[in-house]
Amino acid sequence: EDKVVQSPLSLVVHEGDTVTLNCSYEVTNFRSLLWYKQEKKAPTFLFMLTSSGIEKKSGRLSSILDKKELSSILNITATQTGDSAIYLCAVEAGGFQKLVFGTGTRLLVSP
Amino acid sequence: GAVVSQHPSRVICKSGTSVKIECRSLDFQATTMFWYRQFPKKSLMLMATSNEGSKATYEQGVEKDKFLINHASLTLSTLTVTSAHPEDSSFYICSARAPNTGELFFGEGSRLTVL
Repeated sequence: EDKVVQSPLSLVVHEGDTVTLNCSYEVTNFRSLLWYKQEKKAPTFLFMLTSSGIEKKSGRLSSILDKKELSSILNITATQTGDSAIYLCAVEAGGFQKLVFGTGTRLLVSP
Repeated sequence: GAVVSQHPSRVICKSGTSVKIECRSLDFQATTMFWYRQFPKKSLMLMATSNEGSKATYEQGVEKDKFLINHASLTLSTLTVTSAHPEDSSFYICSARAPNTGELFFGEGSRLTVL
């Protein structure tokens, strides 16, 4: 059974801190790993990592895929209160384009 | 603006009634759409893959007769929760993949409350 696990489940930091969120996976026929940010409604896309693109960066956010370790990290530097959200990791596996989501990490950035 | 639109965003119904949720891809044609369910403080759980013009593919443990999925056109998939019970109360989210970029877009979600 395909599985995606995220850690920690929740995290509280102060504004300005740097955080690292973890995602590990065990899936059949890995295709890509995606990170999403979810606030009050549906998830919004952050990054997609594949075998040909294992590192992505956008502003204060960056992500790395380690295919050997079957894991990925999402880094957020100089955190802001607006970064408070649930961060979801999802893996696309198999041949049907469906995503398997991890448990999510709930991040709270306090002022 | 939204690329995938879901309607209604919020619905309250009585036990035993049926509720239909629509998912529309606005900027592209989607042969495949996905329906997820999310419980409070939990992650998204894939319920089924909706295939245009054919039957949906349900994940293990999801009742086909309870959660009816219809994908009658390339831009519309519907999820009908039949004979709803309070335990069906949840946040339902659909998604569709843009054919040119492969990016997955999510609808805004529909919060169902069954009294």
